[in-house]
Amino acid sequence: DTGVSQDPRHKITKRGQNVTFRCDPISEHNRLYWYRQTLGQGPEFLTYFQNEAQLEKSRLLSDRFSAERPKGSFSTLEIQRTEQGDSAMYLCASSGQGREQYFGPGTRLTVT
Amino acid sequence: GESVGLHLPTLSVQEGDNSIINCAYSNSASDYFIWYKQESGKGPQFIIDIRSNMDKRQGQRVTVLLNKTVKHLSLQIAATQPGDSAVYFCAELVPGQNFVFGPGTRLSVLP
Repeated sequence: DTGVSQDPRHKITKRGQNVTFRCDPISEHNRLYWYRQTLGQGPEFLTYFQNEAQLEKSRLLSDRFSAERPKGSFSTLEIQRTEQGDSAMYLCASSGQGREQYFGPGTRLTVT
Repeated sequence: GESVGLHLPTLSVQEGDNSIINCAYSNSASDYFIWYKQESGKGPQFIIDIRSNMDKRQGQRVTVLLNKTVKHLSLQIAATQPGDSAVYFCAELVPGQNFVFGPGTRLSVLP
């Protein structure tokens, strides 16, 4: 499978714990995006990398959130001190030369 | 702020009929649009895109129409099949900014 992959697919954590998600983009894509999606809503942009550089962050990305893409390939999204409001689907997408973005299956986070 | 919206939150169609899903966008500077299909528990799947210099684009069983005058986008699915049941999102892109997604339309295909 050469699509975008995400791990884990599901994560249940207690409030206050830290969680980390991983995204592996399509191999030749240099741009990588993180989105958050809550039930019944469309994805909301969180942050964007071009190669290893994080070029943009949404105001949705509070200081408890951090994302990295150290070698310009896979990316991680960490949420520290999770809150119940962080419960959502976290989606990763990648794009190459064109503007179309291809999404992974998402990581569903439940904070109890 | 600028947003992408949909006329119908849910749409039920008979199997074999054609489906039309509509989307209104408010930013006249948007120059690129994508329709995504999202099945339960999965990430959005790219269906078709269109640039603002086009009025129509056709894919396999799908057609996207863009009316810039009224800022309207539609997705037409021919001969709708049970596998087409999903939530459909339109997304718009303003140059230099990021995609803005609408809330989605749920398509239910009736047997």
